[in-house]
Amino acid sequence: QKEVEQDPGPLSVPEGAIVSLNCTYSNSAFQYFMWYRQYSRKGPELLMYTYSSGNKEDGRFTAQVDKSSKYISLFIRDSQPSDSATYLCATHGGSGNTGKLIFGQGTTLQVKP
Amino acid sequence: KAGVTQTPRYLIKTRGQQVTLSCSPISGHRSVSWYQQTPGQGLQFLFEYFSETQRNKGNFPGRFSGRQFSNSRSEMNVSTLELGDSALYLCASRGLGGYTFGSGTRLTVV
Repeated sequence: QKEVEQDPGPLSVPEGAIVSLNCTYSNSAFQYFMWYRQYSRKGPELLMYTYSSGNKEDGRFTAQVDKSSKYISLFIRDSQPSDSATYLCATHGGSGNTGKLIFGQGTTLQVKP
Repeated sequence: KAGVTQTPRYLIKTRGQQVTLSCSPISGHRSVSWYQQTPGQGLQFLFEYFSETQRNKGNFPGRFSGRQFSNSRSEMNVSTLELGDSALYLCASRGLGGYTFGSGTRLTVV
């Protein structure tokens, strides 16, 4: 079993839709959670960085962490064609392992005009 | 401010050869991590360096090695290349705002 599971998709939505991307993780020691966006032929770009349970909002993006069910989500409101990319969730276990990010497989999102 | 710079962007090598990849982190960042990205395995952690010391290592064979210099620039080396080493190699530098990745080096082994 992978430490972080993510449905690879692909996910196709019409422009303006609300997108929900999800990951589950197995290790309760994971405390820091990230969402990255990766365009083709580019490195991952950090979108959201959260600690512990709760919600964090940044513009059209909302990250949600539920530590009780080991479930993390990223919501994209009013999706745009420019949001078409691969979205990766990532986590690490805190002090002692901060440099070692563990990634999900990534979900490929296509937003159609 | 300048981001994370990786060189070269593309590389083609023959099986059995060795290769060295370079990463310059964001100015002031002292932690550099390396990752391998393939379609089958996704992003996998290789190793992390902090102040010239390897602080963490992933589950890769000893053919994969790295180092960090006093100016925080880092290099990774892969010896005796295999076809399966073909991948996008990414480096990330860590600051207060999290981890910033470079655009990667696309290595193709033929």
